[in-house]
Amino acid sequence: SQQGEEDPQALSIQEGENATMNCSYKTSINNLQWYRQNSGRGLVHLILIRSNEREKHSGRLRVTLDTSKKSSSLLITASRAADTASYFCATDARETSGSRLTFGEGTQLTVNP
Amino acid sequence: DAGITQSPRYKITETGRQVTLMCHQTWSHSYMFWYRQDLGHGLRLIYYSAAADITDKGEVPDGYVVSRSKTENFPLTLESATRSQTSVYFCASSESANPTYEQYFGPGTRLTVT
Repeated sequence: SQQGEEDPQALSIQEGENATMNCSYKTSINNLQWYRQNSGRGLVHLILIRSNEREKHSGRLRVTLDTSKKSSSLLITASRAADTASYFCATDARETSGSRLTFGEGTQLTVNP
Repeated sequence: DAGITQSPRYKITETGRQVTLMCHQTWSHSYMFWYRQDLGHGLRLIYYSAAADITDKGEVPDGYVVSRSKTENFPLTLESATRSQTSVYFCASSESANPTYEQYFGPGTRLTVT
């Protein structure tokens, strides 16, 4: 079963608006990562937040992590048409060995020019 | 700087045939992974490898075989392809496991089994 579940499944906004995507997971984690996938391409790593961190920024990206609620959010500020992609959260569960990530089913973001 | 490459990018095969998908990385990353992504869904781990000659099953290993004789290569073989294995296959690599590092993905192989 999928460890992470993204919400919403699809999001459509206008250029310049902010986009917020949420991820919930089930077990204790070491860290949580967000990836972007453009149509027909492989995934690209965006940001990693460790279990002892609450918030992290990278450019226009802001990630929060609430381990008590087992949830994370990805905020993209001042969105651009080029941000149109699917966004996946991936968790590194403490009970699994190795560098194994479990991916959610993704949020499809469409940014309209 | 090639990074991580996959071949072929597209493959059509018939039910029952053996198919091998290739993955090559130039970073000397220890860890390599194979995922499948079905239409409109996230990725599911098929097999992974911590180093040459060390492989382990992921979430959906049935019907697949892997090997890793060299650090840079991690081929995935479908021994007898079935229609349910129609999917997009992604290979990924990672520098380390403890703690988990980011994974670098190849461009994918779109496999259709008829």
